Amino acid sequence: QKEVEQDPGPLSVPEGAIVSLNCTYSNSAFQYFMWYRQYSRKGPELLMYTYSSGNKEDGRFTAQVDKSSKYISLFIRDSQPSDSATYLCAMSDRDNRKLIWGLGTSLAVNP
Amino acid sequence: ETGVTQTPRHLVMGMTNKKSLKCEQHLGHNAMYWYKQSAKKPLELMFVYNFKEQTENNSVPSRFSPECPNSSHLFLHLHTLQPEDSALYLCASSQEGDREEAFFGQGTRLTVV
Repeated sequence: QKEVEQDPGPLSVPEGAIVSLNCTYSNSAFQYFMWYRQYSRKGPELLMYTYSSGNKEDGRFTAQVDKSSKYISLFIRDSQPSDSATYLCAMSDRDNRKLIWGLGTSLAVNP
Repeated sequence: ETGVTQTPRHLVMGMTNKKSLKCEQHLGHNAMYWYKQSAKKPLELMFVYNFKEQTENNSVPSRFSPECPNSSHLFLHLHTLQPEDSALYLCASSQEGDREEAFFGQGTRLTVV
């Protein structure tokens, strides 16, 4: 079993839709949870960073962590064509801070 | 220039060639990283440098040789690569200990023929 599971998609939605991206994990020691966005021919950029459980909101983006279910989500409201990218989840534990990455989900928002 | 800059953007090399990838950061960070991104695989951390000193080598074959002359520059020297080494090589930088908040360069797309 992989430490982090992420459906690679592709996911295609119409403009304005609510997008839900998810990762599951197996290591209960993970404390730090990140979402990165990677545009084509670019490097990843940090989008959301959450410590432990709960929700974090930043504009149209909301990150949720459910440690009891070992499940994290990224919601995008009012999705725009400019949101078309690959979204990677990553997580680490408190001790060695080694990042464990998902495969990334490819998202296309169609105008 | 700002951010993290990588050159070249694209590189095709034969298995007997020697080439180098270059990374430069203008963010005042003191940690730099090399990552490998292959299709259908998670991002793999290759090397970590803190204050110019290598602190992590994640079982990378010796045909990859990193060099960090100062906190702003990072190189990856390549020699006798294999076709399976074809990938996107990403450089990143951060403040020491803040790897989650690293800034990435655009990457070098390497093809080994």
